[in-house]
Amino acid sequence: DAGVIQSPRHEVTEMGQEVTLRCKPISGHDYLFWYRQTMMRGLELLIYFNNNVPIDDSGMPEDRFSAKMPNASFSTLKIQPSEPRDSAVYFCASSAMGGQTNYGYTFGSGTRLTVV
Amino acid sequence: GEDVEQSLFLSVREGDSSVINCTYTDSSSTYLYWYKQEPGAGLQLLTYIFSNMDMKQDQRLTVLLNKKDKHLSLRIADTQTGDSAIYFCAEGFYTGRRALTFGSGTRLQVQP
Repeated sequence: DAGVIQSPRHEVTEMGQEVTLRCKPISGHDYLFWYRQTMMRGLELLIYFNNNVPIDDSGMPEDRFSAKMPNASFSTLKIQPSEPRDSAVYFCASSAMGGQTNYGYTFGSGTRLTVV
Repeated sequence: GEDVEQSLFLSVREGDSSVINCTYTDSSSTYLYWYKQEPGAGLQLLTYIFSNMDMKQDQRLTVLLNKKDKHLSLRIADTQTGDSAIYFCAEGFYTGRRALTFGSGTRLQVQP
């Protein structure tokens, strides 16, 4: 398996533009997580899905953020409109059984978003 | 509530042992994990310990768990420059309805 695949690796966009981040989880994993990492706030859980259904989106900053998982092999995180304070590294992770095993979560390489 | 705390920074000399500490508040955790993040990369699972264990050794890594004090530590023996990274501890729970809770990460700097 190629692991958790995120695209793009880097995204630079202007304030007010729509940004879409993509994630392909590991085949067979039934949980998918979106995290955001910044120097100031560390690693924050934004939302997670189980069997394509959102379970907890309490970490989503505001209505500008939305996430979907139309099928077991694909998820998107959309920011519309984007703002400079959204600049961060966004990670997707997947796991089997919610990670409550010795395998934990498998993380993607992240998307570094810069909003200018 | 859930809270996982780590010190922010640790500097050691190559060849010395490193000890990274973590405290957590929720005693219902089942697994505790250590992740490593190298520059420009995602988090990679390094090791884990099940909550009914006190110690786990894996080559140069030793994990100690004190459930009474809710304290977890990661010892890296013979630390190498390649060990320079950010190390995150995380606690997991029996039910999949709670995501792992991560600490803020400890940046380990290994001086040659």
